[in-house]
Amino acid sequence: EAQVTQNPRYLITVTGKKLTVTCSQNMNHEYMSWYRQDPGLGLRQIYYSMNVEVTDKGDVPEGYKVSRKEKRNFPLILESPSPNQTSLYFCASSVHSIGQPQHFGDGTRLSIL
Amino acid sequence: GQNIDQPTEMTATEGAIVQINCTYQTSGFNGLFWYQQHAGEAPTFLSYNVLDGLEEKGRFSSFLSRSKGYSYLLLKELQMKDSASYLCAPRDSNYQLIWGAGTKLIIKP
Repeated sequence: EAQVTQNPRYLITVTGKKLTVTCSQNMNHEYMSWYRQDPGLGLRQIYYSMNVEVTDKGDVPEGYKVSRKEKRNFPLILESPSPNQTSLYFCASSVHSIGQPQHFGDGTRLSIL
Repeated sequence: GQNIDQPTEMTATEGAIVQINCTYQTSGFNGLFWYQQHAGEAPTFLSYNVLDGLEEKGRFSSFLSRSKGYSYLLLKELQMKDSASYLCAPRDSNYQLIWGAGTKLIIKP
C-alpha cells in the first residue's frame, strides 16, 4: 500500500529534550516536506526537499533541522524543543511534477511542556 | 506577498449544494489544489485545476479563473461525512504550495 508513515503519532515531552520525528514514504517520491498546523493558521511549511541531499527552508524553519540521506526518509529533528513548538506536524511527499498532489502522513501531535 | 482568502466557516444542509470560494495572490502560478481535512486527520487530495474552467469529479467540482485569481469548490448532494475543512492551495512559481487556513464546513441534518 502506497503511504507516508510518521512516527510517533503522539508525543509529550519536556523543554530542551532532543527529539526526532521520522517520516518514510514507499512511493519513490522525489519531493518531501514537513508542515506544522496550528488552529486558525493552516499548514505552514517548515522544510522541504526536492531530492536526496537537497533540503530548503520553508516559512517557519527556526528551531528545526532535517536531513535527506535516502530518498524514502525525511526525519524532522527538534534539537532543543520549546513550548511554542507544540503543534500537529505533517509529513508529505509527491512526485516532483506539475499536477501531482502531495500525499500526507497521518500526523504527529507534539506537546512540549 | 502571497495570500489566500477563504471563508472561515460555512454551514449547509444535508442533501444541498454548497460552494466554497477561494481567492489567491501568488508569485507565479502553477495550478491550484483542493484538499479535504477531517478534524485531527491528514489532508486528502480532492481536485487540481491548472487551466480555466470547471473540473468535475463525482459530487465534487472545482472551478478556476486565473485572470481573477479565483477558484471555488462545489459540493453537491451533501452528506454528513462531508463535514470537514476544505483547503485551497495554489502552487507558486517555485512549485511550492501556498496554504490557506481552510474553510470549516458544517453539515446539518
